[in-house]
Amino acid sequence: NAGVTQTPKFRILKIGQSMTLQCTQDMNHNYMYWYRQDPGMGLKLIYYSVGAGITDKGEVPNGYNVSRSTTEDFPLRLELAAPSQTSVYFCASGPQGAGQTYEQYFGPGTRLTVT
Amino acid sequence: QKEVEQDPGPLSVPEGAIVSLNCTYSNSAFQYFMWYRQYSRKGPELLMYTYSSGNKEDGRFTAQVDKSSKYISLFIRDSQPSDSATYLCAMRYSSASKIIFGSGTRLSIRP
Repeated sequence: NAGVTQTPKFRILKIGQSMTLQCTQDMNHNYMYWYRQDPGMGLKLIYYSVGAGITDKGEVPNGYNVSRSTTEDFPLRLELAAPSQTSVYFCASGPQGAGQTYEQYFGPGTRLTVT
Repeated sequence: QKEVEQDPGPLSVPEGAIVSLNCTYSNSAFQYFMWYRQYSRKGPELLMYTYSSGNKEDGRFTAQVDKSSKYISLFIRDSQPSDSATYLCAMRYSSASKIIFGSGTRLSIRP
């Protein structure tokens, strides 16, 4: 199993540009998450999904959009990029069921710089 | 007040020392407690988890939860340079799909 894969690994965007961060998992997990990690600030939840076709906002959703058309894929869309969105973005997935979601498997991250 | 507080460090100790990492939290409804380890430029990986109060041991690592004090700890015995990483505590309610992470403590083990 590849686990959770993310592309691209690095990206530089100009202010106002848009892009999609890709995330794919091959573990058949229903739950998927997008986090951003700023230096010394821990992980902040952007959006999450409990299954295909179901998404919900996390702590910091403004400026982002997500979709979940399949179990495997959970892309994160940035519209009108701003310098405040410079961060490392992590995608994660976890097993289904409220009693099993203590573990999340993380991807390697995407380092995004907006200038 | 943040839901989960964690000292950011950095913490530097000599090889072989016992390391104690700690988090405090404000919401008594948290039931599941986890520790994630994150190496530089990598994604976090689950190290240990405990349900409710008590201790759990796994090799050189011991996780401890004190719900009465809203305090969790991770102890690392016989620390190794390979333990150098950022350690994030995390916790969730029993019925929730979301996990709340601490800000992480950066640990460095000196050879």
